[in-house]
Amino acid sequence: DAGVTQSPTHLIKTRGQQVTLRCSPKSGHDTVSWYQQALGQGPQFIFQYYEEEERQRGNFPDRFSGHQFPNYSSELNVNALLLGDSALYLCASSPPPGSSSSYGYTFGSGTRLTVV
Amino acid sequence: QQQVKQSPQSLIVQKGGISIINCAYENTAFDYFPWYQQFPGKGPALLIAIRPDVSEKKEGRFTISFNKSAKQFSLHIMDSQPGDSATYFCAASGVSFGNEKLTFGTGTRLTIIP
Repeated sequence: DAGVTQSPTHLIKTRGQQVTLRCSPKSGHDTVSWYQQALGQGPQFIFQYYEEEERQRGNFPDRFSGHQFPNYSSELNVNALLLGDSALYLCASSPPPGSSSSYGYTFGSGTRLTVV
Repeated sequence: QQQVKQSPQSLIVQKGGISIINCAYENTAFDYFPWYQQFPGKGPALLIAIRPDVSEKKEGRFTISFNKSAKQFSLHIMDSQPGDSATYFCAASGVSFGNEKLTFGTGTRLTIIP
């Protein structure tokens, strides 16, 4: 059973550019959340998608946007990249609310984004 | 109100010893408290979690102790092994919808020495 798949694993972008990160959730999961993990820090919540809509959002600027597709996969887009956007971007999926394992987030291995 | 404070930042424990990591939270709406283990180059993996209706939960060598009145919870790793060397994060969330966002602590780098 495949877990959460993220692509690409590593990415180098120039300041001011735009980037798209991709995530395929674990089989049976329909909710996708994105987190940013700076070096030496805990993950910070960016936003969550459920039924193709943004359901929750953390304290991130509008440069960060996302999308969820009918097959539950998701994309994270970051515009006008800043040096401070360099981080590990984690995707986490979770099962439908009310299911027996509703509280179980499964994280992917992340995309390491470096902005130069 | 959204902070989760974690200590210590790093911890060195001898093989066979007990590793203890502590967390404190502020938001009384939190009612789900998981611990995650993260190895270099990997995403966090759920280790053990607790709801505030119990004061302790044990799974194998891992135990969560929870003090609702003090708004504190801790992870105890018994008989610590070199394979336990990783970064550990506490987290907290509400569960009104079932998949509320996680608020993470800053992490503890645990090193188990032979």
